[in-house]
Amino acid sequence: KAGVTQTPRYLIKTRGQQVTLSCSPISGHRSVSWYQQTPGQGLQFLFEYFSETQRNKGNFPGRFSGRQFSNSRSEMNVSTLELGDSALYLCASSFPDRSDTQYFGPGTRLTVL
Amino acid sequence: DAKTTQPPSMDCAEGRAANLPCNHSTISGNEYVYWYRQIHSQGPQYIIHGLKNNETNEMASLIITEDRKSSTLILPHATLRDTAVYYCIVRVALLNAGNNRKLIWGLGTSLAVNP
Repeated sequence: KAGVTQTPRYLIKTRGQQVTLSCSPISGHRSVSWYQQTPGQGLQFLFEYFSETQRNKGNFPGRFSGRQFSNSRSEMNVSTLELGDSALYLCASSFPDRSDTQYFGPGTRLTVL
Repeated sequence: DAKTTQPPSMDCAEGRAANLPCNHSTISGNEYVYWYRQIHSQGPQYIIHGLKNNETNEMASLIITEDRKSSTLILPHATLRDTAVYYCIVRVALLNAGNNRKLIWGLGTSLAVNP
């Protein structure tokens, strides 16, 4: 099976702009989670989607939003970008079965200037 | 989801076994223990997971204590390519978690494999 794919891989934006990142889960996976990772930090949970519904949300401002489509693909959007939003954004998908193992994509590296 | 505690860094000689500890004293009965690793600026790579029995796959072995409050990831013959940050996570499955799952990741253990 193909792994989790994320597009674009790299992105440069300026403050105040908005950005949309895309994630295609492993075929058959219905749960998608998003994380933000900044230098020296662990993964910070953004939100989790299952069957097109947001199931869980981390402690991020409302500028961060997401959605999931009927084919389980997911997008996340960040509006009014700030310098501190520069990070590696990671997407993970899972089936989810009893153990709910998550598999990660390569990430999108966002740089805000 | 319960939190985990890992040493911030460890060293290991190439060819020797690397034993990475993790404490998860507040783990609940339906939470699995997962291990991932992340090589610089790449997405985390799944290694292994377990509930209460020891597990082994082609990458590593996972030893979980009988009370499930701690675990050890064993890389039997570490190579330079095993240099990475290793994360220990405990998590209940989404379908059992309701809407309170926060998917907490700590800072992991930075493992340096030395020649």
